[in-house]
Amino acid sequence: EIILTQSPGTLSLSPGDGATLFCRASQRVDNSYVAWYQQRLGQAPRLLVYGGASTATGVPERFSGRGSGTEFILTISRLEPEDFAMYYCHQYGSSPWTFGQGTKVEIK
Amino acid sequence: EVQLLESGGALVQPGESRRLSCSASGFSFSSHAMSWVRQGPGKGLEWVAAIGGSGDSTYYADSVKGRFLISRDNSKNILYLEMNGLRAEDTALYYCAKAIGWYAPDAFDFWGHGTVVTVSS
Repeated sequence: EIILTQSPGTLSLSPGDGATLFCRASQRVDNSYVAWYQQRLGQAPRLLVYGGASTATGVPERFSGRGSGTEFILTISRLEPEDFAMYYCHQYGSSPWTFGQGTKVEIK
Repeated sequence: EVQLLESGGALVQPGESRRLSCSASGFSFSSHAMSWVRQGPGKGLEWVAAIGGSGDSTYYADSVKGRFLISRDNSKNILYLEMNGLRAEDTALYYCAKAIGWYAPDAFDFWGHGTVVTVSS
């Protein structure tokens, strides 16, 4: 099983700041099959990025993903108030598919 | 508009069985793999099971293998999760999630709002 470790656990930032979220896999993820999801409090997750770097339909341009192998990154260029939420990475390169434990982006 | 509506959640006793359903609309159901993902109280996301578009291929998390069965009825646009031998650790909000493509290993581009299963005596 591929274990995903997200860091940091919590990011305390202000609106307008940039955010960088990390996701490290215990083994190489085939084809960069890594996705990132945003989950606001009380809501279902929302897909942001898939395939490591492809932005999902309707997702603002301030969200971008990159990475390969075992290291993946989600960047939010300028935080808007609605971006303060939990973020999860997810690997679907090998079964069982797994999620990271999440990074909370909170208002400083 | 894509819609996923889960149902079947309930309070059940340890060892009991329960079937969850997810009614899908707004897309070509048989053209997309589907998954169940759960989230325990105050916890993160845990993938549970997946099924390919035709229903021929299924995948399970180790924690539910042998106890849960995922299936689909493409004529009715419904996804199912049959849960047997329920344990306290199965207590969670269960989401139905649509994959981007037909093949099961894929990201999830739409999620339902979930249905709650509580396992307690």
